[in-house]
Amino acid sequence: DSGVTQTPKHLITATGQRVTLRCSPRSGDLSVYWYQQSLDQGLQFLIQYYNGEERAKGNILERFSAQQFPDLHSELNLSSLELGDSALYFCASSVDFRSGGETQFFGPGTRLTVL
Amino acid sequence: GESVGLHLPTLSVQEGDNSIINCAYSNSASDYFIWYKQESGKGPQFIIDIRSNMDKRQGQRVTVLLNKTVKHLSLQIAATQPGDSAVYFCAESKETSGSRLTFGEGTQLTVNP
Repeated sequence: DSGVTQTPKHLITATGQRVTLRCSPRSGDLSVYWYQQSLDQGLQFLIQYYNGEERAKGNILERFSAQQFPDLHSELNLSSLELGDSALYFCASSVDFRSGGETQFFGPGTRLTVL
Repeated sequence: GESVGLHLPTLSVQEGDNSIINCAYSNSASDYFIWYKQESGKGPQFIIDIRSNMDKRQGQRVTVLLNKTVKHLSLQIAATQPGDSAVYFCAESKETSGSRLTFGEGTQLTVNP
C-alpha cells in the first residue's frame, strides 16, 4: 500500500458524459501528479499540482481539467468523454517536486470505461 | 520526441535465476531514473531509483545500473521469485521539467517455477 488513495476504483459511463476522479496523496506529500495508462500510449503524464497550484502540464486534453484543494486532495475532471478516453488513470504523490527527482508513489488507479 | 524505451517486451526466467531488464533512454539531459513494478490491476510500485551522478545503486535483491555514455539503464533482480512476475517500467525525468516522469513501454517478466 503506497498510501495514495483513489476513488472510484471503476467507472463506467457513456460518451459525452463528465466524470470526476479523486485522489488523496500520502500524508505529508504536497505534490500530486496525474497519469493516464492506455494500451496504445502506455503511461503518460497529464498534469502536476504542488500545494494547490498547477506546476506542469503534459499531454492533457482541453476537455480534461484538474485541481488540488487546500487539504491537498486532487480531482481530475474529464468531460465530453469519448471512447478513446477509456484508460486507467493514476494519481501519484511526492513530498516536494522543487528539488527534482522526488520519488513518486502511485495510487491503485481508476479504471474508466466509456461506452 | 524524446522518450524512454525498453529493449524487450517480455522476459521469461526460471525461479531462482537472476533477471536483467534493460532500458534505453534518448534524453541525455535526464538526471533521475526510476524503476517501477506493476502487477495486474494495480498501480506502479516503486522499486529503486538512481540519480545521474551515480552509476550503480543497490536495494534488497535489486540493483540498478546506469550507463550515461550509452544512455542505458538496467534493473537486476537477484534470485527471482514467482512474486516478481509483473510488468517493469523504467522512467526518467530532468530537473528542468520538474518531476514529471516519462515512462518506457514496459517489460513483462514471467518467472517460471
